[in-house]
Amino acid sequence: EAGVAQSPRYKIIEKRQSVAFWCNPISGHATLYWYQQILGQGPKLLIQFQNNGVVDDSQLPKDRFSAERLKGVDSTLKIQPAKLEDSAVYLCASSPSNGPPSSFGPGTRLTVT
Amino acid sequence: QKEVEQNSGPLSVPEGAIASLNCTYSDRGSQSFFWYRQYSGKSPELIMSIYSNGDKEDGRFTAQLNKASQYVSLLIRDSQPSDSATYLCATGENTGFQKLVFGTGTRLLVSP
Repeated sequence: EAGVAQSPRYKIIEKRQSVAFWCNPISGHATLYWYQQILGQGPKLLIQFQNNGVVDDSQLPKDRFSAERLKGVDSTLKIQPAKLEDSAVYLCASSPSNGPPSSFGPGTRLTVT
Repeated sequence: QKEVEQNSGPLSVPEGAIASLNCTYSDRGSQSFFWYRQYSGKSPELIMSIYSNGDKEDGRFTAQLNKASQYVSLLIRDSQPSDSATYLCATGENTGFQKLVFGTGTRLLVSP
């Protein structure tokens, strides 16, 4: 079974620029998560999708972050404009049900300068 | 603010010993508890889940839950150098959809 795919793996941008991340979950997994993990901290949930509907986005900074999951499969997370404090690893995860994230992608390491 | 607290470590144990990792949580409404292992520079991987008070064993891993004390632990028996990683504790509410709160993790070092 192919794992969760994410791209790009690394991104360096200047503050106030925009950036987008892509995630392809494990086939058949209905639930998709985006987490932000700042160095030395645990992952923080940004948004959780069930199929193509949003289950939870309470911690998503909606003034600058947006996410969508078209057709209940792939997902994109966008940041516009980026701030220095957005420097982190952005992890995409999926699970086959309403359970916890069971498979994480390799992550995208974002550096904002 | 729901919190999950872990000692950041590092916790150093010799090969073959039992490693004991601990976690406390603030939300009494938490119903599900998970342990993830994260190797340096890698993504987390789910290794244990526990929902009821008591012990749950899976191979060399045992998760222990005490809801009255709001305490969950992970024991690793016969620790191996390959167990050296950061262990993340996470709690969730069984409200139909799992929204997990992660701790900052405990770094475990197993020396040969």
